[in-house]
Amino acid sequence: ETGVTQTPRHLVMGMTNKKSLKCEQHLGHNAMYWYKQSAKKPLELMFVYNFKEQTENNSVPSRFSPECPNSSHLFLHLHTLQPEDSALYLCASSQDAGAVYEQYFGPGTRLTVT
Amino acid sequence: RKEVEQDPGPFNVPEGATVAFNCTYSNSASQSFFWYRQDCRKEPKLLMSVYSSGNEDGRFTAQLNRASQYISLLIRDSKLSDSATYLCVVNIAGNQFYFGTGTSLTVIP
Repeated sequence: ETGVTQTPRHLVMGMTNKKSLKCEQHLGHNAMYWYKQSAKKPLELMFVYNFKEQTENNSVPSRFSPECPNSSHLFLHLHTLQPEDSALYLCASSQDAGAVYEQYFGPGTRLTVT
Repeated sequence: RKEVEQDPGPFNVPEGATVAFNCTYSNSASQSFFWYRQDCRKEPKLLMSVYSSGNEDGRFTAQLNRASQYISLLIRDSKLSDSATYLCVVNIAGNQFYFGTGTSLTVIP
């Protein structure tokens, strides 16, 4: 148990649906991250929040919309996704968004877009 | 060019063997380095950070070679429980973490 939880663990949605992924960390960290992990590809960093402020958006399509209401919670709002968006979405947190801090991952949400 | 490159393997080794993985990175400004392990259908978990002077944690030894831009992970006396995918992670500046595709290890009884 790493102290980072994600819900739901599995999600199947159609291309016209709107859904949200939730992440919560119980570690007292200040930085939170969204990653996408597709088969045979490395983890791709999507968004970074530090002290609730978004500090990175790695050219992620606007159909993915993050929200960070406080340092413990992070959401990823999904709408009009494409089948190629099917992947494992991992949330992570770290003490701060600095280079030296290791990240702790949640169990992920396995998303299937039909 | 990929920021981080790893040999995907798979590495199949007998119990008790010593196995080593290398990972190369392309950006000389890289600041921090980590090894994570990821079990099948699970999240990545930190195995160890990699320090400039090299560091050891039990059966695991990590080395950093800045001149050649690679990091390595050595596992001694392999256990069945070491079977996993090992991910090399490089941080270039602040928020930018780059992951390798991972090296698959299977330890055989």
